[in-house]
Amino acid sequence: DTAVSQTPKYLVTQMGNDKSIKCEQNLGHDTMYWYKQDSKKFLKIMFSYNNKELIINETVPNRFSPKSPDKAHLNLHINSLELGDSAVYFCASSQSGATDTQYFGPGTRLTVL
Amino acid sequence: AQSVTQLDSQVPVFEEAPVELRCNYSSSVSVYLFWYVQYPNQGLQLLLKYLSGSTLVKGINGFEAEFNKSQTSFHLRKPSVHISDTAEYFCAVRGKGNEKLTFGTGTRLTIIP
Repeated sequence: DTAVSQTPKYLVTQMGNDKSIKCEQNLGHDTMYWYKQDSKKFLKIMFSYNNKELIINETVPNRFSPKSPDKAHLNLHINSLELGDSAVYFCASSQSGATDTQYFGPGTRLTVL
Repeated sequence: AQSVTQLDSQVPVFEEAPVELRCNYSSSVSVYLFWYVQYPNQGLQLLLKYLSGSTLVKGINGFEAEFNKSQTSFHLRKPSVHISDTAEYFCAVRGKGNEKLTFGTGTRLTIIP
């Protein structure tokens, strides 16, 4: 069984469109994250939710909006897509507490044309 | 604030040779340290982590790392590498009491047959 899953795996879209990426974890964790990995492999946190409450919100354009319907799901909506949004987006989850390991999903490769 | 520096962006190593991937960190508080591996077109997988106790930490796939507080380092080592170790390796730091995991820029390990 997949621990952290993301859909879709690949997403190709035109500039200006709105798209969503979905993430689900079946590990029973209470904290979920979105990371962005750019073309140089640099990995940066975007958001984190704990028990459906936003706890980390890095400097991210407000075109990006996370939504957590329950502890097991964290979706990422992106409005008015721009070329610079092209990247691989990773979802992760952990049990709250700094010692806990974050488990990553397989990633969603977003290409904006 | 916390940060991670991975000094080598690429490390080529002959098969069966030893390897060391360097990682230095800075933080105003005590830290937890992690090494993750990313195989091509996959998500990140935890190799090992240092939380407390013994400064030599053993992980999966024959990797180990040593926490050196005075040098603020957490270098990753393997005595004999295999072709299957070809991947991107990320060092990460998390301050105690902080939910945010900060990643280094990654080191691409290439194994030469």
